[in-house]
Amino acid sequence: RKEVEQDPGPFNVPEGATVAFNCTYSNSASQSFFWYRQDCRKEPKLLMSVYSSGNEDGRFTAQLNRASQYISLLIRDSKLSDSATYLCVAFTDYKLSFGAGTTVTVRA
Amino acid sequence: GAGVSQSPSNKVTEKGKDVELRCDPISGHTALYWYRQSLGQGLEFLIYFQGNSAPDKSGLPSDRFSAERTGGSVSTLTIQRTQQEDSAVYLCASSSDPGTGYGYTFGSGTRLTVV
Repeated sequence: RKEVEQDPGPFNVPEGATVAFNCTYSNSASQSFFWYRQDCRKEPKLLMSVYSSGNEDGRFTAQLNRASQYISLLIRDSKLSDSATYLCVAFTDYKLSFGAGTTVTVRA
Repeated sequence: GAGVSQSPSNKVTEKGKDVELRCDPISGHTALYWYRQSLGQGLEFLIYFQGNSAPDKSGLPSDRFSAERTGGSVSTLTIQRTQQEDSAVYLCASSSDPGTGYGYTFGSGTRLTVV
């Protein structure tokens, strides 16, 4: 079983729309969680950390539910520049474990 | 340097040949990681270095794969007798704080194609 499972999408949304997607993780000992963004043929870059209390970074909201081992990301007022693959990441001990990614395409 | 540097950026090799991939981490970062990303897949962990030692090599797919790190800095990933299934993007990351998950920086990767 993969450590992090994600809905691959793709999510195809118009500009201005809200899009939400999630992932689950299998290791209850995982200590911290992140969303990374990966553009086509580029390296992953940190988008934001995820906390149980929920956190926002501009148009992005992330939430962690430790009881159900579930992580979500919501993007409000989507921009064309939000088109990318979003990677759900769990950190355990010293290692980042990545989901396969959710592809989001924002259309004009 | 300012970021994690990997070379070459692209490598095409014939099946059966050996290849060496290089990673130059951010200066002062003690932790270094190699990951592999096949087409349409997530990142697959290969190996973790803390300084020059590798406490976790569990992700190396076979004994054809090896890695070393010298001087607590540059790392080389070597693949012997390459196979077509080795074709992937090999990503290196370094971190100054491997105990938290924060502060990871990835290089732009080496795209390996085995023909």
